[in-house]
Amino acid sequence: QSALTQPPSASGSPGQSVTISCTGTSSDIGGYNYVSWYQHHPGKAPKLMIYEVSKRPSGVPDRFSGSKSGNTASLTVSGLQAEDEADYYCSSYAGSNNLVFGGGTKLTVL
Amino acid sequence: EVQLVESGGGSVQPGRSLRVSCAASGFTFDDYAMHWVRQAPGKGLEWVSGISWNSDTIGYADSVKGRFTISRNNAKNSLYLQMNSLRAEDTALYYCAKAPGLYGDFDVWGQGTMVTVSS
Repeated sequence: QSALTQPPSASGSPGQSVTISCTGTSSDIGGYNYVSWYQHHPGKAPKLMIYEVSKRPSGVPDRFSGSKSGNTASLTVSGLQAEDEADYYCSSYAGSNNLVFGGGTKLTVL
Repeated sequence: EVQLVESGGGSVQPGRSLRVSCAASGFTFDDYAMHWVRQAPGKGLEWVSGISWNSDTIGYADSVKGRFTISRNNAKNSLYLQMNSLRAEDTALYYCAKAPGLYGDFDVWGQGTMVTVSS
């Protein structure tokens, strides 16, 4: 159960787009379409932003999108806004009733 | 309103035990899997354990296997995590989270309960 690999930080100016990657293996990301992304503001509960690779829960702006290619999943935030500044975590099902998170990416809106 | 409220956290010595609980409301509890996710101070999220709606299927992270036990009481809309042989590295904020199944997609989270393991 090794953690998925995310870049520690990402940044962009308001209105720009930024993509956060999440790299795993064929035993997790590559093997299942159960990748999800969470937004976490310090002191608050994490919030589901994307589930099953590319689906958006009700209420999540369509500026947030997800995709997957091979063993790497990606979260793209378009039209960056100040309130998007937060920590973002990916997660994947890893088989045998196990799940794994990425190390997290701190998104800074410049 | 869909809500999860954790309780039972506190300070405990290494090697001791603690049970944390999660009270659910606002949804049909036994329609969903439930999970525990923790965040150590200054660290990222770590999945700890998950349990299916009927308790038939359970999973644990390698880091807690053999020491932690997840359970639920659907009649009481409650989730539990019994933590034995606690270690300093178990110090974390423990969140409970609701999901459609054991594959993840945590769509509702509680605010967390803090567990500190220290002598």
